[in-house]
Amino acid sequence: DAMVIQNPRYQVTQFGKPVTLSCSQTLNHNVMYWYQQKSSQAPKLLFHYYDKDFNNEADTPDNFQSRRPNTSFCFLDIRSPGLGDAAMYLCATSNPGQASRGYTFGSGTRLTVV
Amino acid sequence: AQSVTQPDIHITVSEGASLELRCNYSYGATPYLFWYVQSPGQGLQLLLKYFSGDTLVQGIKGFEAEFKRSQSSFNLRKPSVHWSDAAEYFCAGGGDDKIIFGKGTRLHILP
Repeated sequence: DAMVIQNPRYQVTQFGKPVTLSCSQTLNHNVMYWYQQKSSQAPKLLFHYYDKDFNNEADTPDNFQSRRPNTSFCFLDIRSPGLGDAAMYLCATSNPGQASRGYTFGSGTRLTVV
Repeated sequence: AQSVTQPDIHITVSEGASLELRCNYSYGATPYLFWYVQSPGQGLQLLLKYFSGDTLVQGIKGFEAEFKRSQSSFNLRKPSVHWSDAAEYFCAGGGDDKIIFGKGTRLHILP
């Protein structure tokens, strides 16, 4: 089945130690999104890629970076995780002009910072 | 500014009772509107969507939602809830560039 896959499901990292979360998709969608969802809060858009074009939300901290080496993969890099970065990170995909169909979400990676 | 508001943080209903979860939006034009459900520790699953046409939309798991332009609302309904419906429900809206989410409503089901 075509889907969005996030690895790992659970990630524990040390305070200040760089960490990378991955997302892959078999839907061949042009747009990939990263959302941060803290406990009992709404998902918050961090950034998205439209093909290779990177679009950062204005309030996304510089600590968060992203890479998209090809259509299928997208990575979220947290350069120096703080305790406040503990959250569920959700990857989603869509196609241009097809946003009305809704995004397809992965199952998320829950990040714990110790 | 674009916004999606879910006024109820928690809703509790008895199993078998009807359900309505509220959602209001603020957007320049008619946005795409969605309802997602999230079980604990899981990703988001799309329940239903609206972007044009019939204002009453049917979704999965027996859910439906009605778009009311005059009230800027897109409320989610189900005639009879099941214990398995207990989850967090997010209303979302936006355009082709991005979608934003409401803060969510946690649904509790009483046996």
